[in-house]
Amino acid sequence: EDKVVQSPLSLVVHEGDTVTLNCSYEVTNFRSLLWYKQEKKAPTFLFMLTSSGIEKKSGRLSSILDKKELFSILNITATQTGDSAVYLCASPRGGGSEKLVFGKGTKLTVNP
Amino acid sequence: GAVVSQHPSWVICKSGTSVKIECRSLDFQATTMFWYRQFPKQSLMLMATSNEGSKATYEQGVEKDKFLINHASLTLSTLTVTSAHPEDSSFYICSARDPQGTDTQYFGPGTRLTVL
Repeated sequence: EDKVVQSPLSLVVHEGDTVTLNCSYEVTNFRSLLWYKQEKKAPTFLFMLTSSGIEKKSGRLSSILDKKELFSILNITATQTGDSAVYLCASPRGGGSEKLVFGKGTKLTVNP
Repeated sequence: GAVVSQHPSWVICKSGTSVKIECRSLDFQATTMFWYRQFPKQSLMLMATSNEGSKATYEQGVEKDKFLINHASLTLSTLTVTSAHPEDSSFYICSARDPQGTDTQYFGPGTRLTVL
């Protein structure tokens, strides 16, 4: 069964800290890995990764994929209170499916 | 990115009534949309895949007669919770796949359903 596992499940840091969120996956015929940020409403898209070793970057957020070790990390530098959210990792199910399998998420709390 | 809207953003209804939730792709056509539900502090659970012009496909354990899905146009899918009960109270979210054809799904803002 395809699965995505995130760690840690929760994390509390102070503003200015750098955090690393982890996502490991076991997906048949892996195609891509997606990161989303969920605040109080629905998830907003952050990154899609398909190739190993190529970093995707957007401002203070960056992410990289390791297809050999089957994991991805999401880095956030110089965290701000507005980064507080649940970060979700997902991957399309095996067999060419469009359906996504999600991890349980990492709840990040950034304190002032 | 593509924009997906949902309406209403929240609804409160009495037990036994039916509630309809709309999901629209605003700036693109979506032949496939997805419906999820999310309980507090839990991740998204896929309920069904909505296909334009054909029947929805439901995930195992989801009652198709209770959660009616209609995808009558390329920009609109509706989820109707029939004979709602308090245990149906949840956060319902729809999504549509990236019109560029990647694996990315864009999510609507969600609908908070409370059944009294």
